[in-house]
Amino acid sequence: NAGVTQTPKFQVLKTGQSMTLQCAQDMNHEYMSWYRQDPGMGLRLIHYSVGAGITDQGEVPNGYNVSRSTTEDFPLRLLSAAPSQTSVYFCASSYTGGVGEQYFGPGTRLTVT
Amino acid sequence: AQTVTQSQPEMSVQEAETVTLSCTYDTSENNYYLFWYKQPPSRQMILVIRQEAYKQQNATENRFSVNFQKAAKSFSLKISDSQLGDTAMYFCAFGDDKIIFGKGTRLHILP
Repeated sequence: NAGVTQTPKFQVLKTGQSMTLQCAQDMNHEYMSWYRQDPGMGLRLIHYSVGAGITDQGEVPNGYNVSRSTTEDFPLRLLSAAPSQTSVYFCASSYTGGVGEQYFGPGTRLTVT
Repeated sequence: AQTVTQSQPEMSVQEAETVTLSCTYDTSENNYYLFWYKQPPSRQMILVIRQEAYKQQNATENRFSVNFQKAAKSFSLKISDSQLGDTAMYFCAFGDDKIIFGKGTRLHILP
């Protein structure tokens, strides 16, 4: 099993550009989530999904969109990147939702100039 | 909304000592789970220990144990016989329908 994979590993964007961070898991987990990690701020939940076709907002959803068309994939879209979105982004999945062990991807380091 | 607070941004201890990391949380829920995750310099997130709120017995995993005080909404992590490989960021987390993390404690184990 590959576990949770994220692409790209690194990305530099200019302000106003759009992009999609990809996340995929091969463990048949229903629950998937996106976090951003900033120095001194810990991991903050952006969006999460409890299954295909179902998504919900986390702590910091503004500026980000998600969709969940399959169990395996949970892409995160930045429609118009801003310098405040410079961060490390982690995708995670779990068999039992928020009460279970979260399996994290390796992260994507995004810089917005 | 649930919140998780880690009041110690950074700590240092000598190898082989015991160290306790603090965590408090706020919730109106009765059934939930609490976690400690470790993030070494590799950036990979690793589950250290998990506690079910309805279980009074404190969870233990080898050198790692927790002190869970439900009424006080406190969930501290004790690392015994600390090792150089324990150097990492440690995150406390609260889970019910989703999982919320604290800001983390950076732990340095000194040789």
